[in-house]
Amino acid sequence: DQQVKQNSPSLSVQEGRISILNCDYTNSMFDYFLWYKKYPAEGPTFLISISSIKDKNEDGRFTVFLNKSAKHLSLHIVPSQPGDSAVYFCAASPTGGGGGADGLTFGKGTHLIIQP
Amino acid sequence: EPEVTQTPSHQVTQMGQEVILRCVPISNHLYFYWYRQILGQKVEFLVSFYNNEISEKSEIFDDQFSVERPDGSNFTLKIRSTKLEDSAMYFCASRESERQSQHFGDGTRLSIL
Repeated sequence: DQQVKQNSPSLSVQEGRISILNCDYTNSMFDYFLWYKKYPAEGPTFLISISSIKDKNEDGRFTVFLNKSAKHLSLHIVPSQPGDSAVYFCAASPTGGGGGADGLTFGKGTHLIIQP
Repeated sequence: EPEVTQTPSHQVTQMGQEVILRCVPISNHLYFYWYRQILGQKVEFLVSFYNNEISEKSEIFDDQFSVERPDGSNFTLKIRSTKLEDSAMYFCASRESERQSQHFGDGTRLSIL
């Protein structure tokens, strides 16, 4: 079952432009969403999160948007830099990341390639 | 910056043997997790651990698996009677509190021959 879906296995963007990574979810119980970045041979690194009480969260070049009615979130990276080339995972949790030690449900990831 | 540390980085084991994967979570963290990623597939939740007991486990985490926090710093995943399909990257993660993100280690690549 794919409760968290990232439908684009890869995305190529020119350096300096905006990268938009998308994620859809099906479980209405999810109320906390995270984006992780992963380089080869390393573990996922936390980037940014958003609670379902918000529709936008921004941290530097990274902004996450949440559309609860559409069960859709996106990660915007602007401007894109060569070091942003990595696999990006969307993840979700049913209890706001709290109220328990809930495990995260991950998408399959999108490989972002920043072209010079 | 504090890190989650996992050892070994690569473990090769004969099918049917037992393996123990080790993790040292970030020192002030209270919630601990194990995940796995089979090659080409997504990261999957296995188990969470809080207050010296399992909080939640997935369907994958059957009687073959167990976790332990034997002392104040280590968090281990034991896999008994390993099977070929247990070959995967195993990630440990920890979290300080309920409203914080999970921090991941770099993983242990488990290869079952």
